[in-house]
Amino acid sequence: GIQVEQSPPDLILQEGANSTLRCNFSDSVNNLQWFHQNPWGQLINLFYIPSGTKQNGRLSATTVATERYSLLYISSSQTTDSGVYFCAVRDTGTASKLTFGTGTRLQVTL
Amino acid sequence: DGGITQSPKYLFRKEGQNVTLSCEQNLNHDAMYWYRQDPGQGLRLIYYSQIVNDFQKGDIAEGYSVSREKKESFPLTVTSAQKNPTAFYLCASSSVSVGEQFFGPGTRLTVL
Repeated sequence: GIQVEQSPPDLILQEGANSTLRCNFSDSVNNLQWFHQNPWGQLINLFYIPSGTKQNGRLSATTVATERYSLLYISSSQTTDSGVYFCAVRDTGTASKLTFGTGTRLQVTL
Repeated sequence: DGGITQSPKYLFRKEGQNVTLSCEQNLNHDAMYWYRQDPGQGLRLIYYSQIVNDFQKGDIAEGYSVSREKKESFPLTVTSAQKNPTAFYLCASSSVSVGEQFFGPGTRLTVL
């Protein structure tokens, strides 16, 4: 099946810093989502981005489907950005299954 | 308020008991999913359903069962056959099988 790798696995930032999270995948996809998992476990949808670039406030994401990677940018980080960021993909051969990466754990300090 | 609800939030089970986790959505989504998350890991698909009265196994279906009698509801039963059931269980839904998935708040199951 499709493989999803996220990097870095852990990231510590000072408040106000910028960061880039990466998601590499091993096959063609027809769905790519970025999620933020908060300390209570809730998965919050950030982006649905099988290709192209999207922006939402301080966050933006770019997926280059032909090169099989996606990037999540966080600018001017805040302590509330702390948590785990997951990338999940659905390859073109499956009807419904999302395959998740193991996540990037972000800690934003004062 | 549209969304996905899961209950209970926390569940404790003795070994050998079956338990059922509830998932309800009022988003009018056709497809619903159950995922399992272990500490420090991503999510893995247990079962999914694209229409009422139909469902398919995911990657780790052994020891679990589901039903889909109503569009809004997709309960998951963790049976005594599941060897390591302690985990965080998340339910999701989407409007179509390849659409954006949205998640409920999850149920933490602990086997004592």
